[in-house]
Amino acid sequence: DSGVTQTPKHLITATGQRVTLRCSPRSGDLSVYWYQQSLDQGLQFLIQYYNGEERAKGNILERFSAQQFPDLHSELNLSSLELGDSALYFCASTEGGVPATGELFFGEGSRLTVL
Amino acid sequence: AQKITQTQPGMFVQEKEAVTLDCTYDTSDQSYGLFWYKQPSSGEMIFLIYQGSYDEQNATEGRYSLNFQKARKSANLVISASQLGDSAMYFCAMTGADSWGKFQFGAGTQVVVTP
Repeated sequence: DSGVTQTPKHLITATGQRVTLRCSPRSGDLSVYWYQQSLDQGLQFLIQYYNGEERAKGNILERFSAQQFPDLHSELNLSSLELGDSALYFCASTEGGVPATGELFFGEGSRLTVL
Repeated sequence: AQKITQTQPGMFVQEKEAVTLDCTYDTSDQSYGLFWYKQPSSGEMIFLIYQGSYDEQNATEGRYSLNFQKARKSANLVISASQLGDSAMYFCAMTGADSWGKFQFGAGTQVVVTP
């Protein structure tokens, strides 16, 4: 158990809909990262937040947005869903903005299926 | 830009044998980190081992060792004495000092350990 909690674990929805994925980082971790794992794109970095502020942005679509709240949990909002958004979405956390050993602690992922 | 290449899509290995998973990388950063993660069929990402670009010694963690050849830009993972529980997808990843956590992942290598 990494200590990172993601909900929901599974989500099935229809095209055009909007969903919110939630992540609670390990206790004490200030940084939260979101990754998308799909069959055709592999593992892709989406976005990082550090202590409530956006720190780095990757291949995140404009239809997607994220935020980190004062209690440090984070939410990833996916809107106008398309079939291609079906993927496993990982949240990861680490203590600082630059982790000492580089290790990220991953949650178990939220599997999104868009029908 | 950083790039990670894993050329072995899949491999079979017999229990108790050693296996080497190949990983090459490309980066213009002087300071970077290399990582290996394991993803079993259950989906979670499990950190295995880390090698910093300035580390002179190859990293080892139990049955895992990282064969780091900086000049060749390779960071191969060696798993000794394979166990059935080692069957999983293995990802090589890297990140640069200015964007720690913004991992670039390889495509992964599927390892199947047979009795």
